[in-house]
Amino acid sequence: GESVGLHLPTLSVQEGDNSIINCAYSNSASDYFIWYKQESGKGPQFIIDIRSNMDKRQGQRVTVLLNKTVKHLSLQIAATQPGDSAVYFCAENPYSGGGADGLTFGKGTHLIIQP
Amino acid sequence: NAGVTQTPKFQVLKTGQSMTLQCAQDMNHEYMSWYRQDPGMGLRLIHYSVGAGITDQGEVPNGYNVSRSTTEDFPLRLLSAAPSQTSVYFCASSYSSTDSSYNSPLHFGNGTRLTVT
Repeated sequence: GESVGLHLPTLSVQEGDNSIINCAYSNSASDYFIWYKQESGKGPQFIIDIRSNMDKRQGQRVTVLLNKTVKHLSLQIAATQPGDSAVYFCAENPYSGGGADGLTFGKGTHLIIQP
Repeated sequence: NAGVTQTPKFQVLKTGQSMTLQCAQDMNHEYMSWYRQDPGMGLRLIHYSVGAGITDQGEVPNGYNVSRSTTEDFPLRLLSAAPSQTSVYFCASSYSSTDSSYNSPLHFGNGTRLTVT
């Protein structure tokens, strides 16, 4: 079946730099995408989401970019802080108009912040 | 506002024992779901519910039962625990599962870490 994947399992970034975490998806019909942050021992925490009718969406220090042509999703974190250390994973819903129901999750990228 | 609350946080069972993982949410969310998270496997959907009285199977339902008698609660029952059910279990909820007029991301609890020996 189709699944969401990630390019790198670990990303190391200097504190203060910008981080870019990538996600590739295979279902061109996917309509809804979400980024989650998971700290050790905790549940996934919602960061930002985007529908397929948008290319970009910004939150506080985070931006999600969606490139439907190459089926690529990225999460940009500005001015990375020690508290950003976590596993980040993307999720997609392959059903048009779908939301939380039917989400498929990637395996995650571990973001490590170097002092 | 507590969000999604899961109990217990940790549990050790012997093979063949049964138990119920509790999940409650105070956000009046219609949609609730259970996932398990295993190393290298990502989150996999066990069961879900789109409202009180309605449940359905996800990707990996075998060995688990659910019920949804109220909007707030969605317990997960292990009828006869097996070592393969050693995992971290997450409950999640969202405001609406199919309304595309606005985004409705899943909100997760902090998990139950289950070990079956």
